[in-house]
Amino acid sequence: KNQVEQSPQSLIILEGKNCTLQCNYTVSPFSNLRWYKQDTGRGPVSLTIMTFSENTKSNGRYTATLDADTKQSSLHITASQLSDSASYICVVSAKTDSWGKLQFGAGTQVVVTP
Amino acid sequence: EPEVTQTPSHQVTQMGQEVILRCVPISNHLYFYWYRQILGQKVEFLVSFYNNEISEKSEIFDDQFSVERPDGSNFTLKIRSTKLEDSAMYFCASSPLSGGRNEQFFGPGTRLTVL
Repeated sequence: KNQVEQSPQSLIILEGKNCTLQCNYTVSPFSNLRWYKQDTGRGPVSLTIMTFSENTKSNGRYTATLDADTKQSSLHITASQLSDSASYICVVSAKTDSWGKLQFGAGTQVVVTP
Repeated sequence: EPEVTQTPSHQVTQMGQEVILRCVPISNHLYFYWYRQILGQKVEFLVSFYNNEISEKSEIFDDQFSVERPDGSNFTLKIRSTKLEDSAMYFCASSPLSGGRNEQFFGPGTRLTVL
């Protein structure tokens, strides 16, 4: 069964510090992996999209990595800001899901404190 | 910047009633989706829609659900006879492309509460 697992479930970090979120997936055959940011009560907003051949992708202070061999990805947040407080969701798409069906992880809830 | 909009933001209904959730996708997008998120759980795919027909649906999307694009701008999700377990946040998304690197843009969601 295609699955996307994220860790940690939640974390609290001080403003200005860095953090790294993890994602493991079993979705196959792999097409692409995305990281979304979801503020409470809002829809997910895309941060990065990576395909099989991409190892790293940055979007401002967010840097995602992908190891397609081990089926792992990470999202690194640099110099965290209070506005980074949100749920960060790893989302994977399979090649067989040609119509864009996305498999969502449960998310990591990040709280940035002053 | 263009965005997906959804109405209403919150819908409260009685069990057994029909509800219609509305979405206005980004204007030049061709692919449309509905997802739901039960409180505290993962976002789940419901259905994808292209060229005025369903292209893929999940096991959640049973006969109680239907989708429609009644005009050139709206995309609706109808739940014919709501159940308590239909209470969730429903997200509409749209994409200019399908598969591959298509980026899906999500709306703010409609919170459906079934009493």
